Amino acid sequence: AQSVTQPDARVTVSEGASLQLRCKYSYFGTPYLFWYVQYPRQGLQLLLKYYPGDPVVQGVNGFEAEFSKSNSSFHLRKASVHWSDWAVYFCAVSIPGTGSNRLTFGKGTKFSLIP
Amino acid sequence: NTKITQSPRYLILGRANKSLECEQHLGHNAMYWYKQSAEKPPELMFLYNLKQLIRNETVPSRFIPECPDSSKLLLHISAVDPEDSAVYFCASSPDRTNSDYTFGSGTRLLVI
Repeated sequence: AQSVTQPDARVTVSEGASLQLRCKYSYFGTPYLFWYVQYPRQGLQLLLKYYPGDPVVQGVNGFEAEFSKSNSSFHLRKASVHWSDWAVYFCAVSIPGTGSNRLTFGKGTKFSLIP
Repeated sequence: NTKITQSPRYLILGRANKSLECEQHLGHNAMYWYKQSAEKPPELMFLYNLKQLIRNETVPSRFIPECPDSSKLLLHISAVDPEDSAVYFCASSPDRTNSDYTFGSGTRLLVI
């Protein structure tokens, strides 16, 4: 079965600094991969998604992610963070061709800024 | 989020019965219930496609889903347990093979 690992429970940087949130997946083939953001007491919003193709995908609000099959990774990046980026970020995977596009989420990374 | 509406937004219960409601205005064929417990990621409970229950994860029998039409999803809960305290998200996608999900804002259930 597929699984997702987000090794960093918390990441804290200064405003204007760059951000990288790590995601590793476990699946023998090439899955579909997603990054979602969850602001306090709100639902999940899709930032970006990877379907097989260009390994670098662009998302909303300046986010991008890079798929690496050799590393089984799908790390999220942003060049310069803002206070509005303070949230929990979830990496998720689904397996194509199964007839059931269940999303399996990682445990999430809480991102905050140094005041 | 007016694309998927969930009600109620908040729910505080003792050991009672209650139903959560979800309606999507996207014309999607697949609908889902996810449960998110505190400090945990969302986990799939049920998946419907064209009103047919496709997937039922290991969910206690006191949770009964219902899909009266392709745009509506209900979750009936009987004799809630404190471990049921969580946020319940409804989501939809164009069909069961398409992973372009849209999530609702969730119903926050607190069992006291």
